[in-house]
Amino acid sequence: DTEVTQTPKHLVMGMTNKKSLKCEQHMGHRAMYWYKQKAKKPPELMFVYSYEKLSINESVPSRFSPECPNSSLLNLHLHALQPEDSALYLCASSHPPDRNTGELFFGEGSRLTVL
Amino acid sequence: QQQVKQSPQSLIVQKGGISIINCAYENTAFDYFPWYQQFPGKGPALLIAIRPDVSEKKEGRFTISFNKSAKQFSLHIMDSQPGDSATYFCAASRTQTGANNLFFGTGTRLTVIP
Repeated sequence: DTEVTQTPKHLVMGMTNKKSLKCEQHMGHRAMYWYKQKAKKPPELMFVYSYEKLSINESVPSRFSPECPNSSLLNLHLHALQPEDSALYLCASSHPPDRNTGELFFGEGSRLTVL
Repeated sequence: QQQVKQSPQSLIVQKGGISIINCAYENTAFDYFPWYQQFPGKGPALLIAIRPDVSEKKEGRFTISFNKSAKQFSLHIMDSQPGDSATYFCAASRTQTGANNLFFGTGTRLTVIP
């Protein structure tokens, strides 16, 4: 069983809706990630938080807004999404760069469908 | 630009056979090479990983072979089982600097036939 918990597992939203994806980990990791995965493709990095500060933003459109309220939680706020944003959104965690062992632990993902 | 190249795209193996998936990379700064296994509708799970100071790592039926001079590494699944049917991703990262940004290969869909 994964130690990175994502909710909801499935989300259907219209293009005018505002919703959020949530991620929680209790492994003491201080780096957390959002990845997007389309069908039959590898995960693509969206955002990285290190010590609760945004350290990497891979040129993601502003309709995706990440938030890291504390060291255990990571949110992804969604607004005015497009149908092409439908994908599996994966959260991951790891030790931060100064303690990095390389291991990245993924949650089971939130399947997003935009109508 | 694909930092990590993976082949084959799909693989069909008989039960009990050996599954072999290959990856190649260009960036010599990479120092961590994991393999992830992903079942449909699930997140990727770390299967096995290797660092460039060793040429081989074995965990149960799974073995990584690493060739630093050729900048290649491969996953061998011995005695393949139907339960191994999944998509496998190789990856590479630099753990020395920056966040752990994994560069994934394109994935291999493995089907093990009973």
